[in-house]
Amino acid sequence: GEDVEQSLFLSVREGDSSVINCTYTDSSSTYLYWYKQEPGAGLQLLTYIFSNMDMKQDQRLTVLLNKKDKHLSLRIADTQTGDSAIYFCAESENNDMRFGAGTRLTVKP
Amino acid sequence: GAVVSQHPSWVICKSGTSVKIECRSLDFQATTMFWYRQFPKQSLMLMATSNEGSKATYEQGVEKDKFLINHASLTLSTLTVTSAHPEDSSFYICSATGFGANVLTFGAGSRLTVL
Repeated sequence: GEDVEQSLFLSVREGDSSVINCTYTDSSSTYLYWYKQEPGAGLQLLTYIFSNMDMKQDQRLTVLLNKKDKHLSLRIADTQTGDSAIYFCAESENNDMRFGAGTRLTVKP
Repeated sequence: GAVVSQHPSWVICKSGTSVKIECRSLDFQATTMFWYRQFPKQSLMLMATSNEGSKATYEQGVEKDKFLINHASLTLSTLTVTSAHPEDSSFYICSATGFGANVLTFGAGSRLTVL
């Protein structure tokens, strides 16, 4: 089946940039998403990108898409302790959505 | 923006009882709703897709008689876990899309604990 893969853990120091990477296999993906999940909570949509774009910036968040390599990344600038959470990459074609396993971001003071 | 509300946030029940979880779209018409299950430290697993007014489509391995899904209106879908057992304890999340929602919107989730 189609897969979405991301590394499980990332640890950074407060103030540094965080880069969370994701790869996917479905070449017909139309949307790619980044979701944030804080402990005990549901998913919060952080940002999404259309497959015909290669970059999207929203305040401290930068999404880069390399469609040829099927690689998606999320950069968080000036990472804060409040950014500690699990970040899920997801891709979809129409409404059929597939998630990665999530990357647990730990921000150290 | 589009908002999806889930209720209850937490529920504890005895083994053998049934539990209903509601998923409501507050400011848009949800033509399609999805139910996911998340085990501890794992990703989301899609359980079923429901279109308003139709029977839900269940993913392989999900028992439709165990997890009853109803989507009778454009703003409400319910998931009923029938005869719950401890192995059904999990975090259940719904999402919705439809008229007035540009992307898939998720509820906050419902944590079910079966004793």
